Amino acid sequence: DTAVSQTPKYLVTQMGNDKSIKCEQNLGHDTMYWYKQDSKKFLKIMFSYNNKELIINETVPNRFSPKSPDKAHLNLHINSLELGDSAVYFCASSPRGIAYGYTFGSGTRLTVV
Amino acid sequence: DQQVKQNSPSLSVQEGRISILNCDYTNSMFDYFLWYKKYPAEGPTFLISISSIKDKNEDGRFTVFLNKSAKHLSLHIVPSQPGDSAVYFCAASAEKSGAQKLVFGQGTRLTINP
Repeated sequence: DTAVSQTPKYLVTQMGNDKSIKCEQNLGHDTMYWYKQDSKKFLKIMFSYNNKELIINETVPNRFSPKSPDKAHLNLHINSLELGDSAVYFCASSPRGIAYGYTFGSGTRLTVV
Repeated sequence: DQQVKQNSPSLSVQEGRISILNCDYTNSMFDYFLWYKKYPAEGPTFLISISSIKDKNEDGRFTVFLNKSAKHLSLHIVPSQPGDSAVYFCAASAEKSGAQKLVFGQGTRLTINP
């Protein structure tokens, strides 16, 4: 019974395509996040939603659009994919305002060719 | 501008010995620090944390030390076991500022040799 689940686990797509990554959490957490692990292995925050409200948007290109239909789901849609978008994307959730309560999903490895 | 840095990309330790992983930070607003452990093809999992009002926190074989004046923290694992082989991420948060986000280092790959 996975706490934070992401789909798909692997995604290979061509430049210029539009793709989505889905994330769901069953922990009852109020806050959800998207992090990107780049080629240098740093995990960097992209977005954070608190009860469906966007609270953090970290200078991410507007080709990336998060959508939170309810507090248990945070999806990431990426338009016009570029080679530099290749990375591992992690979804996470936490109780409201408590960073130490993060639970991560297993990641989605996106490869743009 | 990396606010959290782990300068050792890898560390190899003999089973049973102590593993020491280091982390440095630059932002004096950080008031909560965490260590996460990550196995291949899995997400990071929480290991141990420390508040800036403390200088040490212990949980079984894992101890985290915080030196605020040096802006440095370390994770000690003793004794090291083969199952400890993983990538360890240091992370920091500015809880009081309400930032609600973690800033991560780039990780240190720990290998425990039998």
